[in-house]
Amino acid sequence: SQTIHQWPVTLVQPVGSPLSLECTVEGTSNPNLYWYRQAAGRGLQLLFYSVGIGQISSEVPQNLSASRPQDRQFILSSKKLLLSDSGFYLCAWSPRGTGASGTQYFGPGTRLLVL
Amino acid sequence: AQSVSQHNHHVILSEAASLELGCNYSYGGTVNLFWYVQYPGQHLQLLLKYFSGDPLVKGIKGFEAEFIKSKFSFNLRKPSVQWSDTAEYFCAVSGFTGGGNKLTFGTGTQLKVEL
Repeated sequence: SQTIHQWPVTLVQPVGSPLSLECTVEGTSNPNLYWYRQAAGRGLQLLFYSVGIGQISSEVPQNLSASRPQDRQFILSSKKLLLSDSGFYLCAWSPRGTGASGTQYFGPGTRLLVL
Repeated sequence: AQSVSQHNHHVILSEAASLELGCNYSYGGTVNLFWYVQYPGQHLQLLLKYFSGDPLVKGIKGFEAEFIKSKFSFNLRKPSVQWSDTAEYFCAVSGFTGGGNKLTFGTGTQLKVEL
C-alpha cells in the first residue's frame, strides 16, 4: 500500500531563517505531487505541483520554492522566512494519469510557526 | 479561476440530527467535485467525489452529496450524525493541469457532534 511521509511534524523558526520541508511517497511510481498551505481561518491553498522529476509549477508567487530531486521526493524551501509563512503545510500525491477526477492522498502535515 | 464557497464555518449538532453542509463553486470547465474530511489527529482524506454520471454520490460512513449543476452546488448530507463524525469538512473543485489535478478548496466547516 502507498504511504506518504512528511517531516518535520512541527517547526518553529525565526524570521529570516531558511526552510526545508520534506515529503516522500512510498508504494507508487511516477506520482503527481502537490504542496498546499493552510493559514489560520483559511482553506487549503495550492502552492506547487509536480508531474515529474524536475518539473515544478508554481501557483502563487511567494517567498517559497519547491524541488523534486527524485521521483517520490518533494521538497518545499525558503531562503528567508517571513512571518506570513506561518501555517500548516500539507503534501499530497495522486496517481499518474488519473487526471482531474483523481483522488489526492494527503500526508500528516507540518505545522510551521515563524517568530 | 475556480473558487469554492462553504457557507457554514462552524456547525454544532446533537447525535442523530441530520446534517447538510453547503458548498458552491465557480468553474468554467468540466466539473470534478470532492468532499474531504479531517478527523482529529488524522490525515485529510477523501469522503466522496463526483466526476460524471449520477449526480447523487454516496461516500464512506453514510455520507452523500448531490451535484446540482444549475445551482453550482455540491452539498454534503448525512441523515443521522454520530459523535465520531466530529471533524473538519472541506469541499473542493478540481481543475486539470495536463498531468495531475489542481484542487481548489473551500475554507472548511468544523462540525462538532454532541452526545
